[in-house]
Amino acid sequence: DVVMTQTPVSLPVSLGGQASISCRSSQSLVHSNGNTYLHWYLQKPGQSPQLLIYRVSNRFSGVPDRFSGSGSGTDFTLKISRVEPEDLGDYYCLQSTHFPLTFGSGTKLEIK
Amino acid sequence: EVQLVESGGGLVQPGRSLKLSCAASGFTFSDYYMAWVRQAPTKGLEWVASISYDGGSTYYRDSVKGRFTISRDNAKSSLYLQMDSLRSEDTATYYCTTVANWYFDFWGPGTMVTVSS
Repeated sequence: DVVMTQTPVSLPVSLGGQASISCRSSQSLVHSNGNTYLHWYLQKPGQSPQLLIYRVSNRFSGVPDRFSGSGSGTDFTLKISRVEPEDLGDYYCLQSTHFPLTFGSGTKLEIK
Repeated sequence: EVQLVESGGGLVQPGRSLKLSCAASGFTFSDYYMAWVRQAPTKGLEWVASISYDGGSTYYRDSVKGRFTISRDNAKSSLYLQMDSLRSEDTATYYCTTVANWYFDFWGPGTMVTVSS
C-alpha cells in the first residue's frame, strides 16, 4: 500500500497567519495516464470531511483562494494564507493513483 | 444541492451482520461512481469500497474483501454496504461519498457502527 506521511501532526497558527502542511507518498503518484491523483480535505470538528483541493492544485467549488496546493511526484504541500477561525480542524491528504486508496494520518490546525 | 444520508448503523456483536444504506438526492445518481469511507473513533480516514456507475465493477480494501459487499440501486438513488462477519476493528463512522474524477467530492454526515459484545 502507498503510505502517505503528513507533517506536522499538529500546527498552531495565529489568525491571519500562514500555514503549510506537507504530504509525502512512499511511491510516485503520477498515474500512467499522466495525471497525479493527490487531493486535500478538511474535517471541521464534528463534521464530515470536505474537499478542498483535487489533483494537486485545483480548488474545489466554493473553496477560497486562500487555499493552494502544489507539488509533484511524491512531495506535496497545502498552503493556507490569512488563516481564519473557520479553517481550524483536521487536514488530510488522499492519494487515488494506486489501489487501495490511502489517506495521510492528518494534521490538526489549531490556534496559537 | 447534493445530499447524501446514511442509515443502518448501530451496535452489533462480533461475527454478526449489518447493512448500511445511503440515500442520494440533488444529482443524477447513475452518473457517479460511489464509495464508502470510514473513520474509527479519534482516528483518521480509511477508504473501504467503491462501485462503478452501473454496479458492474466493485473495489475493496483487503481487510474487508470477502466480508463486505458494496452495491447500488440506481432506480432508488441508493448505495448500500452489506457488512458480514463484523470485527471490533470495523467499529467506525461510515461515510457515503460521491466519486468524481478519482476523488471523493461530496460526503454524507455518516452513520456509526459499533462492533462489541
